[in-house]
Amino acid sequence: EMQLVQSGAEVKKPGESLKISCEGSGYSFTNYWIAWVRQMPGKGLEWMGIIFPGDSKTKYNPSFQGQVTMSADKSISTAYLQWSSLKASDTAMYYCARVKSNYVYFDFWGQGSLVTVSS
Amino acid sequence: SYELTQPPSVSVSPGQTAKITCSGDALPKQYASWYQQKPGQAPVVVIYKDNERPSGIPERFSGSSSGTTVTLTISGVQAEDEADYYCQSADSSVTYYVFGTGTKVTVL
Repeated sequence: EMQLVQSGAEVKKPGESLKISCEGSGYSFTNYWIAWVRQMPGKGLEWMGIIFPGDSKTKYNPSFQGQVTMSADKSISTAYLQWSSLKASDTAMYYCARVKSNYVYFDFWGQGSLVTVSS
Repeated sequence: SYELTQPPSVSVSPGQTAKITCSGDALPKQYASWYQQKPGQAPVVVIYKDNERPSGIPERFSGSSSGTTVTLTISGVQAEDEADYYCQSADSSVTYYVFGTGTKVTVL
């Protein structure tokens, strides 16, 4: 079974750093882009960027460029999303999803990682 | 930045047909997909490549495309179809992916 399993919920203070993960299984992890999607409380889906685990090439949504860093460790089939200094406005659910590039869509998703930033 | 516009809400009675539109300038050049999201759950793709249905998605879900607008149609709506629906596409050079603003479907 193909799946993406994300790390658990996090509660952090403003200014702290954080790295969340997305582990793929059941398919060739290095051959597909992985997307990160943000969903703020009660709001819609926002595309943050994509990473190709085979060579760690990235494409960022300009709105998130410089705010987060995407990375991947292909040896353990895991993609990461990290912040160096969290803000309260980073409070959201974050999803990873596999990209089907030929038809530009996301064919399956992780369960989501809830990040709460509060003093 | 590229935007996709959807109506905020659609209400439909059980057994009737719901149509959700999504408008965007690059839609004639790029495929669109649709996702269903129920409360507390991750999104699930219900249509891709404008009108293809993934395995396991009921036949009552269909998609169509005309110019700068794509449409998701749910025929014979059931109570379980109550959810938020998002269209999604990319810019013509596939450097930027985008989601629509989202539509809440309410089954009366």
